[in-house]
Amino acid sequence: GQNIDQPTEMTATEGAIVQINCTYQTSGFNGLFWYQQHAGEAPTFLSYNVLDGLEEKGRFSSFLSRSKGYSYLLLKELQMKDSASYLCAVRGDDYKLSFGAGTTVTVRA
Amino acid sequence: IAGITQAPTSQILAAGRRMTLRCTQDMRHNAMYWYRQDLGLGLRLIHYSNTAGTTGKGEVPDGYSVSRANTDDFPLTLASAVPSQTSVYFCASSTTSEPYNEQFFGPGTRLTVL
Repeated sequence: GQNIDQPTEMTATEGAIVQINCTYQTSGFNGLFWYQQHAGEAPTFLSYNVLDGLEEKGRFSSFLSRSKGYSYLLLKELQMKDSASYLCAVRGDDYKLSFGAGTTVTVRA
Repeated sequence: IAGITQAPTSQILAAGRRMTLRCTQDMRHNAMYWYRQDLGLGLRLIHYSNTAGTTGKGEVPDGYSVSRANTDDFPLTLASAVPSQTSVYFCASSTTSEPYNEQFFGPGTRLTVL
């Protein structure tokens, strides 16, 4: 089975940095994805990690440690439009995605 | 059409009724998926299809059926709706070639079963 844990909610100030952690215990591993989902909208792809280390894409970075079953998404220079849910998803041996429940980030002025 | 479309946008349905949620993509993706999203539970896979003509069961398939007659369309049918099927349903598609195989999601269908 798949077990993916991430915090339910986080709050941060505009311009600050927020780190969203994700831990997983899965039967097989073929990559970890982060998706962003604004309220009432569809999830959209943010990042993908399959090897250990940091992947940087503009203000967003994602880190993976396969040995620890751990990833984080780092959001820098927070903007109001970053208020959304962030979904951690692991691709298993069957190449299907298993999602965490999501972390709702609220950015305050 | 650009990307993935779903219909209807929302629906209120009486328990026991049959309902088909439609999903169409124009990206020529091989794989398509149906998820339901419930508060506190995240996205859960209902059914999937790796290529036209084949389908498979996901984590929560009971009470749902799918078909994949062609590459573009992947309808989800509730044969006899029950209140526990009240949820937001997302269709997604992806390629089956490396490296990412990221999934692209449709706008969702909000279904209420009374």
